[in-house]
Amino acid sequence: NAGVTQTPKFQVLKTGQSMTLQCAQDMNHEYMSWYRQDPGMGLRLIHYSVGAGITDQGEVPNGYNVSRSTTEDFPLRLLSAAPSQTSVYFCASSLGQGRTQPQHFGDGTRLSIL
Amino acid sequence: GESVGLHLPTLSVQEGDNSIINCAYSNSASDYFIWYKQESGKGPQFIIDIRSNMDKRQGQRVTVLLNKTVKHLSLQIAATQPGDSAVYFCAENRPPGSGYSTLTFGKGTMLLVSP
Repeated sequence: NAGVTQTPKFQVLKTGQSMTLQCAQDMNHEYMSWYRQDPGMGLRLIHYSVGAGITDQGEVPNGYNVSRSTTEDFPLRLLSAAPSQTSVYFCASSLGQGRTQPQHFGDGTRLSIL
Repeated sequence: GESVGLHLPTLSVQEGDNSIINCAYSNSASDYFIWYKQESGKGPQFIIDIRSNMDKRQGQRVTVLLNKTVKHLSLQIAATQPGDSAVYFCAENRPPGSGYSTLTFGKGTMLLVSP
């Protein structure tokens, strides 16, 4: 049982490039979410999904897109990378919306935008 | 390693001591709370949770206390070990005004355990 798997672990991009951060979970969790973590700050919610075909914006959605075509996968797309998007990105999943079940996190993707 | 610990409050303890990490939450309507541990280079790891209809919950070496009157959450770690050194986050589940509820995370506290 792998849990939540994120790829790649590290990535360096140039300003203006696009890329997709991958997230997959094998726990049959309905709820998935993306966070970014910046030095000295808590995790901030980017986008989330309560099930296949349903996504919604979090606290800091600008510059990011998501889709949820399957229960297992929840990719995060950077449309045109900016230096302000340099961060560590975490994907998480939980059985429910997070109201009674804890979210389980992947080990993150460390992204640098030059 | 990552600089996630920059500018965080830090608690330094000796091995074997009990540690208490505190967290103030903001929304009196929050109904579910979680403590996470994050080691350098890793994702947050679930430690313990508590619902708002409880004021105390115990796990293995850890206890979470919830004081809804003052909107305060604490994590107690008994007999702290060097392996407990990490950043600890609290998170609160805020019922939505509309749409779906989401978790809001605190900025974290770094726990340093000396042998």
